[in-house]
Amino acid sequence: AQSVTQPDIHITVSEGASLELRCNYSYGATPYLFWYVQSPGQGLQLLLKYFSGDTLVQGIKGFEAEFKRSQSSFNLRKPSVHWSDAAEYFCAVGGSNNDMRFGAGTRLTVKP
Amino acid sequence: GAGVSQSPSNKVTEKGKDVELRCDPISGHTALYWYRQSLGQGLEFLIYFQGNSAPDKSGLPSDRFSAERTGGSVSTLTIQRTQQEDSAVYLCASSRNRVGETQYFGPGTRLLVL
Repeated sequence: AQSVTQPDIHITVSEGASLELRCNYSYGATPYLFWYVQSPGQGLQLLLKYFSGDTLVQGIKGFEAEFKRSQSSFNLRKPSVHWSDAAEYFCAVGGSNNDMRFGAGTRLTVKP
Repeated sequence: GAGVSQSPSNKVTEKGKDVELRCDPISGHTALYWYRQSLGQGLEFLIYFQGNSAPDKSGLPSDRFSAERTGGSVSTLTIQRTQQEDSAVYLCASSRNRVGETQYFGPGTRLLVL
C-alpha cells in the first residue's frame, strides 16, 4: 500500500516570507497526490491535487505544488505567506483503487 | 448542496462501553472513508468502502472496531469496549468512485473515553 511522509512536524515562518512544506510518498505506480488544509476548528479542505499532466499544480489561496517523480516528492509552496495560512497541512497519496493515505501533517505557525 | 454530515458531534463515554458513530456521505458518492485523528497526530486511515466491493479494513486498529455501510449510503463506525486510547476525532469522508477524486470531509465526531 502507498504511504506518505511529511518530515516537518512544525514550521514557523514570518508573514510575507515564502513557504515550502515537504512531502515524500511511496507507491509503486503513478500516484494521485493531494494537499489538504485543516484550519483551527474547521474541517479538511482540498488545496490542490495532481494525477496527470503538468507536474506543477496550482491550487486555491495562492498555493502550488510540484510533482517530482525522481524524488518521490510533492512539495507545497507559497511565495508569500499570510497570517490566515496558519493551519495544519496534510499531504495524501491515492492509489489506483481510489484508497487514500495521509501524512502525519505539518503545523504552520505564521509570525507577525 | 449538503456536505458530509456526522453525528454526534461530541461523545463522552465511560471506559468499557460501546459507541456508534454515524456518517452521512454526500448523495451520489459511492466511496466512503473513516479516519481517526488523535491529539497532535495525523490522519490515521481506518476503513474504506468502495461501492459494493468488500471494504478495505486494513486500518482498523483492533477487533473492537467495526464499520458497516447500509444501502451504499450511511455508514456506522462501532467501537466496542472503549478504551481511553480510543479518544480522538473520528473523521468521515466521501468521494465519487473514480480514481483521483477529491475527498470531502465531515466535521468529525470528537470522542472522549473517561
